[in-house]
Order: sequence, then C-alpha cells, then structure tokens
Amino acid sequence: GAGVSQSPRYKVAKRGQDVALRCDPISGHVSLFWYQQALGQGPEFLTYFQNEAQLDKSGLPSDRFFAERPEGSVSTLKIQRTQQEDSAVYLCASRRDQGAYNEQFFGPGTRLTVL
Amino acid sequence: SQKIEQNSEALNIQEGKTATLTCNYTNYSPAYLQWYRQDPGRGPVFLLLIRENEKEKRKERLKVTFDTTLKQSLFHITASQPADSATYLCALGGSNDYKLSFGAGTTVTVRA
Repeated sequence: GAGVSQSPRYKVAKRGQDVALRCDPISGHVSLFWYQQALGQGPEFLTYFQNEAQLDKSGLPSDRFFAERPEGSVSTLKIQRTQQEDSAVYLCASRRDQGAYNEQFFGPGTRLTVL
Repeated sequence: SQKIEQNSEALNIQEGKTATLTCNYTNYSPAYLQWYRQDPGRGPVFLLLIRENEKEKRKERLKVTFDTTLKQSLFHITASQPADSATYLCALGGSNDYKLSFGAGTTVTVRA
C-alpha cells in the first residue's frame, strides 16, 4: 500500500519568503507528526496531531511556524518569512493510532534550503 | 534536560562481522526505546521496539538490549552485509507520551 508522501521533495526559498510543505499520511492513520532534521542530527519533534486536533506544538521554533490538518488527513506545515536557520529536512510521520508504543511511518522528507 | 547519545563516530566493519551500536541517555526514564534505519535522502524506517521491562529483543539478524540501570541500549547487527550500510537512530518514548526523542544516529558502513 501507499506510504507517507511529502511534497515538494526539495524547496529553495529566498530569505523572507513563505513556504508551505505538504504531508499525505497513510490513509486512516490517526496520529501525525512533523519533525525537523538538521544535517548530521536526528529528527527533532515539532508538532503532533490526533485527527484534526493539534495536541502539541511545543517543538515549533517560533511563531513563524504554523501547522494544520483541517480534515484529519493531509497536513501542511507553513513557514513564514523564512530565515537561513530554517534550512533543514522536514519529515512527516504518521501512526495508526494514538498508542504511544506503535511505530511511526515516515515520509521521505522535504529538504528546505533558504538562501 | 534529557540527553540521548549514540556512538560519536561512524562504524566501519567487514562483511560478516557483528556491528554493535550504543544508545545512552540521561535525565529520562523511557517506557520504551525504538530503533530506526535511515538511508540517505529517505525518512527513517522502524526496525525494533523494546519496552522497559524487556531485556532483549531479536528480529532476524538484529538484536536489541535495554538496561534501564545503565540507561543504555545496545543494537547489534549480526552477519552484517553491505546492504546494512545506513544510519541507525535510537528513539525514546514514554508510556503516555506520543512523541519520540531521537539520538543523532550512528552511520554504519559494511565493506564487502
């Protein structure tokens, strides 16, 4: 079956531009996560959705970052007024339900480069 | 604050040998630990989960141990193959905690 997909795979933005990153989770998966992965580092938690509810956004670095999942399926991570320090790979993951022990299924990521 | 440390250096081993990776943590009492594999340009892929009350888990050529006293997990790849070359990430989670905290990963290269 289809896995988690993300688009675009690569995004180059000029400093100050707004960007929108899309995540299509596995159909029927309740939980959705966004992570930020810097080069040579592990993924860092950004935000978590259970269906359409954003239950935790404690990892979002600033108020320039905004995420939504309005219908409990597709999610969008928006970054306003991008800065160079926003350059990273943004990973989306989904999980079948809210059970903490269950594995997360990751998408391929969107590599964002801010010039 | 919690800290998760994996082997600081990359691991280069000969095909057929066993690769052993470490994951140490501080200021945290995880209910479980997961190991993921990540290939360049791709997202992490789940390999194994071990709970705090389990000492060891096996899956094919993979073995994971979990010592909550030492605050350490060991990940073994036995009879390694070049196809095992990748970065391996450990991730910790709590029983009521939906999110994972990842280490920086260890890159393994298996030479034919």
